[in-house]
Amino acid sequence: DTGVSQDPRHKITKRGQNVTFRCDPISEHNRLYWYRQTLGQGPEFLTYFQNEAQLEKSRLLSDRFSAERPKGSFSTLEIQRTEQGDSAMYLCASSDGLAGVGTGELFFGEGSRLTVL
Amino acid sequence: GQSLEQPSEVTAVEGAIVQINCTYQTSGFYGLSWYQQHDGGAPTFLSYNALDGLEETGRFSSFLSRSDSYGYLLLQELQMKDSASYFCAVRANTDKLIFGTGTRLQVFP
Repeated sequence: DTGVSQDPRHKITKRGQNVTFRCDPISEHNRLYWYRQTLGQGPEFLTYFQNEAQLEKSRLLSDRFSAERPKGSFSTLEIQRTEQGDSAMYLCASSDGLAGVGTGELFFGEGSRLTVL
Repeated sequence: GQSLEQPSEVTAVEGAIVQINCTYQTSGFYGLSWYQQHDGGAPTFLSYNALDGLEETGRFSSFLSRSDSYGYLLLQELQMKDSASYFCAVRANTDKLIFGTGTRLQVFP
């Protein structure tokens, strides 16, 4: 299967610890997006990349969050000094550049669920 | 600001037709998408409207009125497996999608 994969699927951590999530997009997709979703809410945009360039970052994203896509393939999302409010599902999605977003279609992974104790 | 409004919950019985509305207020607009998400699953793409009118894909149809900043998703011949959350999403003035808060659809036998 060549869909979007995310790792780990679940992460439980203590407040103040750092966590890192990885996303492997569909191989031919050059756009990669990170969203956050809490229970009963829609996905909230965090950031996106075209190839290795980070083109936009949400103003809601604190400096504790950082994302990279060093070779334009997989991406990592790191959260430093986690807080209980960071508990959420972190979703990664990919698309085939403008063609993908131009059709409104993103391909989502199953997500990484973070629980901060 | 940017906002998308949807009803929080809709219920229906198998075989029925249900309409989920979405009104949006965004800076710029390129198109309206609809996504389905089952509990614990990933959002999956259903449809996209860039122009006014109705788009039909099997049992699902989606409508857009740009002048009214309004769209809806129409689900026909409802099945139990259609029980899920449905999100509208707008591509506004940048290359990202902004999602609504979602509508939880419960289908009863």
